[in-house]
Amino acid sequence: DADVTQTPRNRITKTGKRIMLECSQTKGHDRMYWYRQDPGLGLRLIYYSFDVKDINKGEISDGYSVSRQAQAKFSLSLESAIPNQTALYFCATSVNPGTGEQFFGPGTRLTVL
Amino acid sequence: AQSVSQHNHHVILSEAASLELGCNYSYGGTVNLFWYVQYPGQHLQLLLKYFSGDPLVKGIKGFEAEFIKSKFSFNLRKPSVQWSDTAEYFCAVTLANAGGTSYGKLTFGQGTILTVHP
Repeated sequence: DADVTQTPRNRITKTGKRIMLECSQTKGHDRMYWYRQDPGLGLRLIYYSFDVKDINKGEISDGYSVSRQAQAKFSLSLESAIPNQTALYFCATSVNPGTGEQFFGPGTRLTVL
Repeated sequence: AQSVSQHNHHVILSEAASLELGCNYSYGGTVNLFWYVQYPGQHLQLLLKYFSGDPLVKGIKGFEAEFIKSKFSFNLRKPSVQWSDTAEYFCAVTLANAGGTSYGKLTFGQGTILTVHP
């Protein structure tokens, strides 16, 4: 079984809809992250959480929210999706303390029409 | 804020050619450095990392990288590429303490797409 899983893997939705992307991990890591990937822009951090009671904004948090339901679960929500949120979304985890190496999920491809 | 710059957006090589992908970062303090690879349709996987010790780091699949602190660089190299190396490569940096423990967040470069022709 994969250590970091994401659901759904693909999603097509319409402008204005609320969308939730889910991430689960079995690695036992405290730290979890959400990124979006756009061609030519690399990965940009949306939100991160260093433990269950800790939520922090990343560089592009506008239009997104997150929930850390448990150590193993970290969900990303788009309250009202817009077309420029069309992207590939990755969840990642890391151990604390550690070197900073992150372990990535398979990604969710989101298309907003 | 720290930033990471990868010089080449798209590199095209023939099999057996040598590869060097550039990566520079902006932060002057202690850093840990990573190269990740993303094969078509897949998630990011770690190629190699540096956090202390020998600045020449060897990773999987014959890749290596050299940390040159004075140049704020961490270039990725491979002496002879294969068609299966076709992928996108990302350099990433995290701030760390003197012992190599990360403060947590990674900053990624824009990525370099490598296409290897048979």
